[in-house]
Amino acid sequence: RKEVEQDPGPFNVPEGATVAFNCTYSNSASQSFFWYRQDCRKEPKLLMSVYSSGNEDGRFTAQLNRASQYISLLIRDSKLSDSATYLCVVNDYGQNFVFGPGTRLSVLP
Amino acid sequence: GAVVSQHPSRVICKSGTSVKIECRSLDFQATTMFWYRQFPKQSLMLMATSNEGSKATYEQGVEKDKFLINHASLTLSTLTVTSAHPEDSSFYICSAHMGRGLGETQYFGPGTRLLVL
Repeated sequence: RKEVEQDPGPFNVPEGATVAFNCTYSNSASQSFFWYRQDCRKEPKLLMSVYSSGNEDGRFTAQLNRASQYISLLIRDSKLSDSATYLCVVNDYGQNFVFGPGTRLSVLP
Repeated sequence: GAVVSQHPSRVICKSGTSVKIECRSLDFQATTMFWYRQFPKQSLMLMATSNEGSKATYEQGVEKDKFLINHASLTLSTLTVTSAHPEDSSFYICSAHMGRGLGETQYFGPGTRLLVL
């Protein structure tokens, strides 16, 4: 079993749609969680950290369920500019950040 | 925010030559930096962990004699691809961590696209 797994994708959605990304992790000792986005031929960029209480940043909502070892990212009212690959990242203290394989999103006009 | 730079952004070289890629942390000191490689339409693959003042730690399957890493200062790590071949053509990205514990965050350089002819 991979350490971090994500929806295989790709997701093709119309503008304005709500889209949800799912991520599971295998190491119950994991402490920090993040969502990164990676545009085509660019480096990953931090989208948001994920906190236990859940957090929201504009159209983006991230949630963490430690019991289920599950992380989610919800994008509301999706824009064309949201098209990218979304990477779920888990950090175990003292170890490397572990990346999921990513889920590609295409928002269509 | 924290900035990590890489140089060059793009390089084309002949097979058999060596290519050096620099990674710098501009706003902070990074005792540890990471080197990744990404092939088209694939996810990031960690190659090695670069430790300031000591030897790098390589992931399984990564040849340490081919991918030389030097972390001579707290703000600079270099990756040298020795005797590059076409199969080494890839997107190489470095990263550095900032903060500790729950506040630790990873920042990436803009990447170096290597094409070996």
